[in-house]
Amino acid sequence: ILNVEQSPQSLHVQEGDSTNFTCSFPSSNFYALHWYRWETAKSPEALFVMTLNGDEKKKGRISATLNTKEGYSYLYIKGSQPEDSATYLCAWGRAGRRALTFGSGTRLQVQP
Amino acid sequence: NAGVTQTPKFQVLKTGQSMTLQCAQDMNHEYMSWYRQDPGMGLRLIHYSVGAGITDQGEVPNGYNVSRSTTEDFPLRLLSAAPSQTSVYFCASSYSRAGQDITQPQHFGDGTRLSIL
Repeated sequence: ILNVEQSPQSLHVQEGDSTNFTCSFPSSNFYALHWYRWETAKSPEALFVMTLNGDEKKKGRISATLNTKEGYSYLYIKGSQPEDSATYLCAWGRAGRRALTFGSGTRLQVQP
Repeated sequence: NAGVTQTPKFQVLKTGQSMTLQCAQDMNHEYMSWYRQDPGMGLRLIHYSVGAGITDQGEVPNGYNVSRSTTEDFPLRLLSAAPSQTSVYFCASSYSRAGQDITQPQHFGDGTRLSIL
């Protein structure tokens, strides 16, 4: 099983700070990269699915970029709010296999 | 619109018992999958299905069986529960277009918390 790595494991920021996390994945046979937001006591919710090198996606204050050649994706949160506190998961899909491999997530806590 | 429904929400078993975790979706999704979530390990894929009658193994399939007789349902069976299977189990589904399953966002159920003594 090829690994998907996320960093940092956890992050504490103050309300209003902007922050970013990294998802690293194998660059060969890339097919798709997903980002999910997972709040405590809830189920993961999809944020973005990206398939093309250079893709950029935006949803409100959250955006993501994708570099398939070097095998990384960044998730950015602008002006963090306490309601952004959650674990952010990325998942990688490779060509030829109809399944996703998830990273272990970045846990974000935003202090008011 | 219920989405993905998992039952039960909680279950305690004794070692050696068997049970079935139920998963149903009402979105007419072809692709369904089962994950387990353990501390520090993210979500690990157990089994998945790309349509009725078709299943395949994920990263951690040992000790689990699945079948897919209908589009809506994808039950996960523990044949002989072991303490190592104590975990939170998530079922997910996604739209499948011309086999492009993994380019579609997954919709998750609320999870089943399973403890095996």
